[in-house]
Amino acid sequence: EAGVVQSPRYKIIEKKQPVAFWCNPISGHNTLYWYLQNLGQGPELLIRYENEEAVDDSQLPKDRFSAERLKGVDSTLKIQPAELGDSAVYLCASSLVASGGELFFGEGSRLTVL
Amino acid sequence: KQEVTQIPAALSVPEGENLVLNCSFTDSAIYNLQWFRQDPGKGLTSLLLIQSSQREQTSGRLNASLDKSSGRSTLYIAASQPGDSATYLCAVKDDYKLSFGAGTTVTVRA
Repeated sequence: EAGVVQSPRYKIIEKKQPVAFWCNPISGHNTLYWYLQNLGQGPELLIRYENEEAVDDSQLPKDRFSAERLKGVDSTLKIQPAELGDSAVYLCASSLVASGGELFFGEGSRLTVL
Repeated sequence: KQEVTQIPAALSVPEGENLVLNCSFTDSAIYNLQWFRQDPGKGLTSLLLIQSSQREQTSGRLNASLDKSSGRSTLYIAASQPGDSATYLCAVKDDYKLSFGAGTTVTVRA
C-alpha cells in the first residue's frame, strides 16, 4: 500500500516568490493535515481537512498561506509571497478517522528561501 | 493549550543498552498518544499508537506505556542497535489534532 506522497522534496526560491507543495494521502483516508517543522523542533499544525472541508486552520498565516483539497483527496499548500522565515520542512499527514486514528506522514517538502 | 515535553533532548548509549525515552503532557483529556521516529532529512515514521483506554503497546523490541492521570508516557527500546539512532518524537491527540514534543535524539554507539 502506498504511503503519503509529497512533492517536491526540496525547493529553493528567492524571497517574495510563490511556492506550492502537493500531497497525496493514503487511499481512503478522509483526514489530511499539513504541518510545519522547524529545525530541532516538533511539527506544528497548519491546517486540518475532513474530506474537502478545512475544519481547523487557526494556525495558518492566511495573509500569505493558502491551502485547498479538491474532491477530498489531493491537497496543495501555497505560500505567496515567501519570506525568509518560511524556510522549514512542510509535512503532510493523513489518518482514517480524526479522533482515534493513527497518523501517517509523508517524507516532507524542505523549503529554503534565500 | 496542550504542552508536550521530552527530556532529555539528546542521549548517547553503547550498543546493547536498553533505551528509556520520556514524554510528558499537560492535559490528560487525550484520544491517544503516538510515538514516531525521524531520521535526518526524512519524514516521521509511526512506531506505536496507544489509545487513551490502553496502558501500553508493544511491537518487537519497542514497548510504550501510558499513564494519563500523571500525564506521562515512556518508550522502551530493548537491546539498542546502531540502527536505532534517530530522533524520537511523541505526540498526543486531543481536539482532533496532534501536539508534538521537540523529540529526543538518540545515538547508539557501536
